[in-house]
Formats: sequence, structure tokens, C-alpha cells
Amino acid sequence: SYELSQPPSVSVSPGQTASISCFGDKLGDKYTFWYQQKPGQSPVLVMFQDNKRPSGIPERFSGSNSGNTATLTISGTQAMDEADYYCQVWDSNTVIFGRGTKLTVL
Amino acid sequence: EVQLVESGGGLIQPGGSLRLSCAGSGFSVSSNYITWVRQAPGKGLEWVSFINLGGTTYYADSVQGRFTISRDDSKNTVYLQMNSLRVEDTALYYCARAGAVAGLPYWGQGTLVTVSS
Repeated sequence: SYELSQPPSVSVSPGQTASISCFGDKLGDKYTFWYQQKPGQSPVLVMFQDNKRPSGIPERFSGSNSGNTATLTISGTQAMDEADYYCQVWDSNTVIFGRGTKLTVL
Repeated sequence: EVQLVESGGGLIQPGGSLRLSCAGSGFSVSSNYITWVRQAPGKGLEWVSFINLGGTTYYADSVQGRFTISRDDSKNTVYLQMNSLRVEDTALYYCARAGAVAGLPYWGQGTLVTVSS
């Protein structure tokens, strides 16, 4: 079955750029989606179709996907961006999630 | 406004059964993919099942043969019947409106299932 890999944690200083990666075989051939989840809250879609932001998601969030790697980039990271981030793809009528990356803003 | 509200969670003994409900409002469940995703305490997101527009159902290997997803269009509600529950099924169960190109843009608040003796 298809698998997605993410680094368990990423740290960034406020105002700097955070990059969260997601790895999968020929991932660039699939649409990648990204979710943000804060403690005690439901996940929120922050990126769809690799690089499209849903309404209400700040412009500092951007995405890319090529080869075996999809990346969620947060420019000018703010304290409120501290959360768990999950990548997701569809594969053979199944929904695949990465294990998640904890973003710490310090 | 699109909303999904889960209910039906609770404490159940191993081997028992439970039925979760996901009530939709602001949209028609029959015109959308509806999926169940669970999250064990302190763990990541795990896809469980989805039902598509035509009513075809799909399941994760971990629940295949034990869980059944269904839909009642008259109640605008999707159900997850969970049988032969195991301790490892303990999780917060979310329902979400899904799409192959839209991802999962709408989520409910979740309902907690605890399987324990």
C-alpha cells in the first residue's frame, strides 16, 4: 500500500520560513493535500491540489509538489501556526495520511 | 453553512458493537463523498472508510469486515456500524466531507470511542 513519510518535528523562529516535507513514491503524480491540527481541535485543510489555498487560509501558506516530495511552506511564521501538519493523498480509492509533523515556533 | 455533527461514541467492551452517526447540514450527503477518519489518543490521523456518490463503500484494511458505512439520504446522515470492536479501535472518530480534488475541507468535531474492559 502507498505510504507517505513526514519528519516528526520541525522548529522555526517567529518571522522565519518553515518548510514541512512529505515524501512518497512518485508523489508528484498525485494531488497532495495539507491539514493543520491544533490541540483539541479538528483538522483544517490549509492546502489542496498541491498549491491551492482554501478561502480564509493566509497567503503565507504555500505548497509545491514534484518528484517524490511535496512541501508546505509557511513564510513569516507566526506563533499561531504552531500545530501538527498532515499531508494526504488519494490512492486506489483509499485516503492516505502522513504520520504528521509537529511544527514548533520558538 | 456546511456542518457535520458526529454522535454515538462511548465506552464499549472489546467485542462489542457501536453505531456512529454523522449528520450533515447545509449540503446533501448523497451528493458528496463522506469519509470517516479516526485519531487514537496522542496519535496521527487514520482513514477508516468512505462512501461515494453512488453509494459504493471503501474501507481501510484495519477495519475491513468489521465496520460498515451506510447512508440515509432522507435523514442526510451517514453511519458507521462498528462490530467486533478491539482495544486498538479506541479513538476520536471524525466524519468529513471529501473529494478527490478538494481533499477534506469540512470536518465534524469528532465523537470519542473507548474500547475497554
